[in-house]
Amino acid sequence: AQTVTQSQPEMSVQEAETVTLSCTYDTSESDYYLFWYKQPPSRQMILVIRQEAYKQQNATENRFSVNFQKAAKSFSLKISDSQLGDAAMYFCAYKRGGSNYKLTFGKGTLLTVNP
Amino acid sequence: DTEVTQTPKHLVMGMTNKKSLKCEQHMGHRAMYWYKQKAKKPPELMFVYSYEKLSINESVPSRFSPECPNSSLLNLHLHALQPEDSALYLCASSQVYLGTYGYTFGSGTRLTVV
Repeated sequence: AQTVTQSQPEMSVQEAETVTLSCTYDTSESDYYLFWYKQPPSRQMILVIRQEAYKQQNATENRFSVNFQKAAKSFSLKISDSQLGDAAMYFCAYKRGGSNYKLTFGKGTLLTVNP
Repeated sequence: DTEVTQTPKHLVMGMTNKKSLKCEQHMGHRAMYWYKQKAKKPPELMFVYSYEKLSINESVPSRFSPECPNSSLLNLHLHALQPEDSALYLCASSQVYLGTYGYTFGSGTRLTVV
């Protein structure tokens, strides 16, 4: 079974600084996708960034980027120039390729941004 | 329209009540999902509908009854719930062949069972 591990229950960062959230996963599949979701106090799960396993290039979305190390099964999220609005719970998630629907989530990392 | 709309946002119900949660999307997504989320925990999958047919039931107790009347609407009927069923219930939708696009989630219904 696939598992997703987020080893940092909580992290904090100063506004305008950079923070990296870690995620590792375990799978025997070659076709899969990885996601980072953000859940602020408003409760809505928001897709931050996504990565296809077959792409070597790391995904980037504005201030958010990932470091995807396929051999190490690592998928960390870097947030640059942190803003107060980045404060949220961040979940790493895995999905097997094909028409499989199930997202497997990590336990989450609570990010605090200090002014 | 790129939203998943859930109603109500908050619900308090007694253990003998019957209530329903509603979820609506107009993105043309043909897969829809119910998740349950306890505080400070990740979401747990409950049900998946694909093309309006129940595709996955993650061994959810029968006091939770999903329904997908059409491609835009997903309901979750609740009956004889227990206090431990109190949680945030999230609806999501996606293209059937999910690929890289992930799910679009609603903002959830906060359910309290008293």
